[in-house]
Amino acid sequence: DTEVTQTPKHLVMGMTNKKSLKCEQHMGHRAMYWYKQKAKKPPELMFVYSYEKLSINESVPSRFSPECPNSSLLNLHLHALQPEDSALYLCASSLTTGDYQPQHFGDGTRLSIL
Amino acid sequence: EDQVTQSPEALRLQEGESSSLNCSYTVSGLRGLFWYRQDPGKGPEFLFTLYSAGEEKEKERLKATLTKKESFLHITAPKPEDSATYLCAVKQDYGGSQGNLIFGKGTKLSVKP
Repeated sequence: DTEVTQTPKHLVMGMTNKKSLKCEQHMGHRAMYWYKQKAKKPPELMFVYSYEKLSINESVPSRFSPECPNSSLLNLHLHALQPEDSALYLCASSLTTGDYQPQHFGDGTRLSIL
Repeated sequence: EDQVTQSPEALRLQEGESSSLNCSYTVSGLRGLFWYRQDPGKGPEFLFTLYSAGEEKEKERLKATLTKKESFLHITAPKPEDSATYLCAVKQDYGGSQGNLIFGKGTKLSVKP
């Protein structure tokens, strides 16, 4: 079991739906990340939060909206997604965004867009 | 041009047959090289952080080494449960802050009994 917990594990949604992905960690980490991973590809960075502030947005479409309510929680709000957005969405955390800090990943949410 | 290249893409071993996975990188200002293991349908599991050339880390049957241009993950006497995709990632100096992980494409390891 990982120390980064993601819910739900699986999500199927239509292109007009609104849903949210949730990520939680209790390791005292102050940096949290969202990644997208397609089959047989490495993870691609989407967003970085540092001390609850958005510090990096890797040109992600506005249909993905991140939120960091507190230092332990990270949400990803989804709206009007496209079929190509189907992927494994991974959350990760690290002590800080500083040098040599390893990121610890959750097991992801498998998202399917109908 | 890829900044992190892993080879081979896939490796099939017999149980007990030792081998090495390679990760070469071209980033400047390395701020850490990380190895992860990923099982199907799961998130990457952190294995090692390597800080500087010459460093070695060990965990059970795995040993990671680092030079100025590449890292090796040596697997000694592997077992079927070592089958997974192994990902290498580097962090580079990014103007002093917010250095992102740059991942290689991974090596898929299969160990047959």
